[in-house]
Amino acid sequence: DQQVKQNSPSLSVQEGRISILNCDYTNSMFDYFLWYKKYPAEGPTFLISISSIKDKNEDGRFTVFLNKSAKHLSLHIVPSQPGDSAVYFCAASAQTGANNLFFGTGTRLTVIP
Amino acid sequence: ETGVTQTPRHLVMGMTNKKSLKCEQHLGHNAMYWYKQSAKKPLELMFVYNFKEQTENNSVPSRFSPECPNSSHLFLHLHTLQPEDSALYLCASSQGVTSRELFFGEGSRLTVL
Repeated sequence: DQQVKQNSPSLSVQEGRISILNCDYTNSMFDYFLWYKKYPAEGPTFLISISSIKDKNEDGRFTVFLNKSAKHLSLHIVPSQPGDSAVYFCAASAQTGANNLFFGTGTRLTVIP
Repeated sequence: ETGVTQTPRHLVMGMTNKKSLKCEQHLGHNAMYWYKQSAKKPLELMFVYNFKEQTENNSVPSRFSPECPNSSHLFLHLHTLQPEDSALYLCASSQGVTSRELFFGEGSRLTVL
């Protein structure tokens, strides 16, 4: 059973508007969460992370929000740009080490110019 | 030089063939990984190497055989594969095995006929 779920396979947003990508998890022991971005024909690249001691982490246009009680995190991109069009994966772990990372299936974001 | 490079980018093989995937990282990292990405499934961790030593094998069938001659190079030897092994195989590295931030290669798209 998947411990990290991204229930929206795709999302389309107009340029300049906000993109909100969602991720749900089932394991309450997860304490560290990451978002990766993947362009076609490229490997995933790290985008932003958040520790469970925080509920928000911001990096430029990207903000990740964590709601531990709901076991939910979201990635906000404001303003969205066409270059943000990619597949976004969330990942979570309960222990250190990439071998303890659980990934979602990804959400394909399309930003329409 | 990009951080993590994989060759070949595309591979088509029959079920009786033997082939190898190659990964090289130029980041000075100590840990390397093989992941499998199948359509509509989360990334699946296959193998973990730390300082050339295999530290994890996630119940991967023996038709996949990894090799890590040094901290910069990782191979995945393939033999007598099945059509369901067709997938994108991603190599990744991290600074240490406790790090949760991965640096991925572009992937090798494998098709087994």
